[in-house]
Amino acid sequence: GQQVMQIPQYQHVQEGEDFTTYCNSSTTLSNIQWYKQRPGGHPVFLIQLVKSGEVKKQKRLTFQFGEAKKNSSLHITATQTTDVGTYFCAGQNSWGKLQFGAGTQVVVTP
Amino acid sequence: SQTIHQWPATLVQPVGSPLSLECTVEGTSNPNLYWYRQAAGRGLQLLFYSVGIGQISSEVPQNLSASRPQDRQFILSSKKLLLSDSGFYLCAWSVPDRGYEQYFGPGTRLTVT
Repeated sequence: GQQVMQIPQYQHVQEGEDFTTYCNSSTTLSNIQWYKQRPGGHPVFLIQLVKSGEVKKQKRLTFQFGEAKKNSSLHITATQTTDVGTYFCAGQNSWGKLQFGAGTQVVVTP
Repeated sequence: SQTIHQWPATLVQPVGSPLSLECTVEGTSNPNLYWYRQAAGRGLQLLFYSVGIGQISSEVPQNLSASRPQDRQFILSSKKLLLSDSGFYLCAWSVPDRGYEQYFGPGTRLTVT
């Protein structure tokens, strides 16, 4: 079955630094979605990527969908304490089923 | 605008007691509805999803069941709770004209003692 893997599981970042989290699927995806869950909160939808090679930006966040539509990345520049939380990718297959990755837990050190 | 409600926010229940968690969605029609469970510090495990009234698909065998008595109401139940049922239960909805992006409720933190 479809599997979505995220790395790293944990990311410790100094405030002001950049980091990237990666998402890989065992199968080709229809689209990939990214969610953010703040500590103690619920996942919140961030963005959806649909096209091969697509790149989207939200302020300091850059999302990319691979050419083969099997991988994605989230790059955050100049990390702030407000970026703390767990970032989940979720891949949707052609049947509409969404498979979440295990998430990358981000800790920011001031 | 659409909103999703879940209650209760927190729940402490003894082993062997029944469970009923409710989720309702407002502002949309015929949504897909989902129940997830999240263990502390872990990812999201899809438990059930529903594409319409009375239509429930189970993702994993377990001690829980789900029902959808109305279009925008989704209920998670158990007849007898186990310790392993503890976790953060999240309800979510999606619709095709929004690309099946999922919107989560605030969740219920269940502790089985």
